[in-house]
Order: sequence, then structure tokens, then C-alpha cells
Amino acid sequence: AQTVTQSQPEMSVQEAETVTLSCTYDTSESDYYLFWYKQPPSRQMILVIRQEAYKQQNATENRFSVNFQKAAKSFSLKISDSQLGDAAMYFCAYRSAKNYGGSQGNLIFGKGTKLSVKP
Amino acid sequence: DAGITQSPRYKITETGRQVTLMCHQTWSHSYMFWYRQDLGHGLRLIYYSAAADITDKGEVPDGYVVSRSKTENFPLTLESATRSQTSVYFCASSDLAVNYGYTFGSGTRLTVV
Repeated sequence: AQTVTQSQPEMSVQEAETVTLSCTYDTSESDYYLFWYKQPPSRQMILVIRQEAYKQQNATENRFSVNFQKAAKSFSLKISDSQLGDAAMYFCAYRSAKNYGGSQGNLIFGKGTKLSVKP
Repeated sequence: DAGITQSPRYKITETGRQVTLMCHQTWSHSYMFWYRQDLGHGLRLIYYSAAADITDKGEVPDGYVVSRSKTENFPLTLESATRSQTSVYFCASSDLAVNYGYTFGSGTRLTVV
């Protein structure tokens, strides 16, 4: 079974600085998708960025980028020029590209990293 | 408005009572999911559905029942609520052919007393 590990329960960053959130995963599959979700205090789950395992190029969305190391099974999120609105819980998630009895769509989440942004 | 709607947003119930959490989506996504979120555990899958009338267990299904008679609705029922089911519950949907991720509802905070 696949697992996702976020080893940093809490992180803190100064406004305008850069922070990196870590995520590792365990899988025997070669084709899958990885995601970072943001959950602000409003509780809403917001997709930040996604990465297809077959793509070597790291995904980027404005101030958010990932460092995807497939061999190391690592998927870290870098937030540049941190803003107060970035304060939230961040979840790393894995999804298989294969369909096991309809389970293809199941997202497997890490336990989350709570990010604080200091003014 | 189009989207995925969960109701109620907050619910307090007593131990042993049956409670149903509602989830409605307007995109006709084939896949729908129920997760619970607990501190220190992240989000854990309770049940999922690949299409109408097709449901299957996730990681933590005990004590829960789901149904999906229509594509747009996926209610979650706690048959006899226990304090350990106090949690935040999220419904999500996905069209795997188009969107690799999920679209989440705003969650239901359930407290069992």
C-alpha cells in the first residue's frame, strides 16, 4: 500500500522569505500523480500544485514550485516570497494512475504541515 | 452555483443517534469520496464511489454507510454515532478524465456528545 509522509508537523517563515515543505512517499508503482493542497482556517481544501510522475520537469504555479525526485520518492513544495495569506495547513497527496477495482481516484494524504507566516 | 455542497456545516448529535451528512455536486463527476480529518491523522478515506450504485470501502469504513442512487448525491450516514466519530468530514468529487485532483466541499464539523 502507498503511504505519504510529511515529517514537519509545523513550520514557520518570515514574510517575503522562502520556505520548503517536505514530503516523501512510498510506492512500487511507476505511474502516479502527486499533489499539494492548502487548507486555510476556513477549512476549504485548495489545490496548490500537481505533478505527473512521468514528467521530469518540476511543476510551477506562480510562487509555488515543487522539487520532484522520483528515484528518492520525494516531493517537496517551495513557497517563494511568502505572504501572510500563505499561512495554512498543507497536505501532500498521492494518487495512483492505475485502477484497482475502481480505486484509481483515491487520494492518499500525508498528515499535514502547519505553516505560520510571521510579519 | 455550480460546485460541491455539503450540509450541514456544523452538527452536534448524541451518542447512539443516526445522523446523515449530505453531499451534492453539480458537475456530474463520476467519482465521489468521503474523508474524515482528525488532528494527527490528516485526511483518511471512509468510502468512495466510482459511479451511481457503485460504492466501496476506504481506509476507515466501520460505523458508516453510504449510498449513491444518483450521480450528484453521495450521503454519508453514521448509523449509531460514537464519540470517536467526532471529526471534520469532507466530501469530494473528481472526473478523472479531466481533473487529476479533487474538488472538495467545505466540510462538516460533527461533534458527538
